[in-house]
Amino acid sequence: QVQLQESGPGLVKPSQTLSLTCAVSGGSISSGDYYWTWIRQPPGKDLEWIGFIYYSGSTYYNVSLKSRVTISVDTSKNQFSLNLTSVTAADTAVYFCARFRGVFDPWGQGTLVTVSS
Amino acid sequence: DIQMTQSPSSLSASVGDRVTITCQASQDISNYLNWYQQKPGKAPKLLIYGASNLETGVPSRFSGSGSGTDFTLTISSLQPEDIATYYCQHYDILPPRLTFGGGTKVEI
Repeated sequence: QVQLQESGPGLVKPSQTLSLTCAVSGGSISSGDYYWTWIRQPPGKDLEWIGFIYYSGSTYYNVSLKSRVTISVDTSKNQFSLNLTSVTAADTAVYFCARFRGVFDPWGQGTLVTVSS
Repeated sequence: DIQMTQSPSSLSASVGDRVTITCQASQDISNYLNWYQQKPGKAPKLLIYGASNLETGVPSRFSGSGSGTDFTLTISSLQPEDIATYYCQHYDILPPRLTFGGGTKVEI
């Protein structure tokens, strides 16, 4: 069964770029009609969809973050990545990766990223 | 953009109570509505898809209903393990876009 695992720095300085990777195991990221997704959740707050990349490489982003977000895929490593530029304290959150095709399933366990100097 | 409004934002109930959570869409979304359960420190877990379909392995005390703009998640007999925050989620196909409701925290 497919499993997802986020990785990346837990601390990022303001104005810098947040970079995370989601490793996919138990299945190929290139197979199937899936959207590979990033979602975040600030501490004590609600879920926010960041964006996703289709297995073909097409990307779709939340309009509120679109100017700062890039999602890419590396099929050779079976992983996809998130870059969020010019971060501020408001970007402090648990970042989840997930697979989407009508529903989000499965999810990664999530990784906390704190933006602080 | 379609907005998803959940109510209540929190509720307190007793074990065995029937609990109802509503999710209202700002426009007709047919049955493109899913429900998730999130426990503290965990990723959300899919409960209901397509407004009313129970995900495999989810207890039958959970049910979903509705279509168009008004949707409901019902827990027929609240159990201690149901303490969590529940989210509705909608998706648009063209262009692809996903929206979560504001969440409902269920306490005992």
